[in-house]
Amino acid sequence: QLVVSQSPSASASLGASVKLTCTLSSGHSSYAIAWHQQQPEKGPRYLMRVNSDGSHRKGDGIPDRFSGSSSGAERYLTISSLQSEDEADYYCQTWDTGIHVVFGGGTKLTVL
Amino acid sequence: EVQLVESGGGLVQPGGSLRLSCAVSGFTFNSYEMNWVRQAPGKGLEWVSYISSSGSTINYADSVKGRFTISRDNAKNSLYLQMNSLRAEDTAVYYCARGSSVGLSFDHWGQGTLVSVSS
Repeated sequence: QLVVSQSPSASASLGASVKLTCTLSSGHSSYAIAWHQQQPEKGPRYLMRVNSDGSHRKGDGIPDRFSGSSSGAERYLTISSLQSEDEADYYCQTWDTGIHVVFGGGTKLTVL
Repeated sequence: EVQLVESGGGLVQPGGSLRLSCAVSGFTFNSYEMNWVRQAPGKGLEWVSYISSSGSTINYADSVKGRFTISRDNAKNSLYLQMNSLRAEDTAVYYCARGSSVGLSFDHWGQGTLVSVSS
């Protein structure tokens, strides 16, 4: 069964970097994922797609501070030079060829 | 500029029905797959339904299968979600989301419309 797992919370200081992790279930390590940001009281915003080889394709207007990478079944979102507006929930999303879409539970990022 | 605007949410009693709409602009609607995603209060995102660009392929989450119907009108640049036999657990903000041209990552989202199911 296709599942993606995320840590419920993360924190980092203003101006620092943070790396969020999305882990694909066993047997699905070749799958691409997408990262989405949801700021408080707002709808989600697409950040990027991250492929199994670590290549990533960002959405329109996403700053260079946001980048993606991969290792095995893990997909990462790294945010550098953290700003206060980066405090948000971050969701990973994946899909299979049967057109079944799954979201991770989300990681709540706190900027200290 | 790509825009997706949902409408049709509101308060409905358990067992009732509601039809959501998503009006899109800024892209060639009939070339893109579309989806509905919901978010219950204080909870995470949950995928609800998918429809292909032509409308010929459709899929649903198990939680709504048999109660919800997704459709689209490419001439009107609009996506719909007919929701029947509504339950309290269907209470959520409902978002429409565009599938990207490569795979099923959702590359644009609407602002959402709130559906409340309560007596």
